[in-house]
Amino acid sequence: AQKVTQAQTEISVVEKEDVTLDCVYETRDTTYYLFWYKQPPSGELVFLIRRNSFDEQNEISGRYSWNFQKSTSSFNFTITASQVVDSAVYFCALSGNSGNTPLVFGKGTRLSVIA
Amino acid sequence: NAGVMQNPRHLVRRRGQEARLRCSPMKGHSHVYWYRQLPEEGLKFMVYLQKENIIDESGMPKERFSAEFPKEGPSILRIQQVVRGDSAAYFCASSPRRGEAFFGQGTRLTVV
Repeated sequence: AQKVTQAQTEISVVEKEDVTLDCVYETRDTTYYLFWYKQPPSGELVFLIRRNSFDEQNEISGRYSWNFQKSTSSFNFTITASQVVDSAVYFCALSGNSGNTPLVFGKGTRLSVIA
Repeated sequence: NAGVMQNPRHLVRRRGQEARLRCSPMKGHSHVYWYRQLPEEGLKFMVYLQKENIIDESGMPKERFSAEFPKEGPSILRIQQVVRGDSAAYFCASSPRRGEAFFGQGTRLTVV
């Protein structure tokens, strides 16, 4: 069975601080995909990143960076120099590539960035 | 290229009524997924469809819920005889292939 755990339910930081959101996953698939989505207060789901299991290179996109470590089954997300607009719920998700597996989501981490 | 379109954005139903949620996938996408997000929770998979076929409905409640994705037109998630516990945000995602999903803005169903 596949499972995604986001142990941090809520995080509050002061603007310009760096913050890391943790994501730990479980899967028996050898090929799988990991995702991060942002859900701002308006409610839509905003795609941030998709990473396949064969690519362990860390990725940076502006103030966002992702650290994928297969050895610890983790796919952590760091926001550098946080801003108030980063306040949202962030979801980590997993999709296997065997059969027709849909996305399995973690319960999300609510990030509040205080000015 | 328009994104995944869901309508209505907000839907209010009285207990016992039917709710119909529509999802138009992105052009060229033949895979549609429905997810439900209960308040303060993550998204839970409900059903996976391809054109005219239900591929995986393991997340669908056994009663009152049904889904279709006809050859022409949007995918429909239908909830019959709604109850208060059905109040949630329902998200549709479409994909050109497995393992990738683009989400609509969701339909927020409120049962009063």
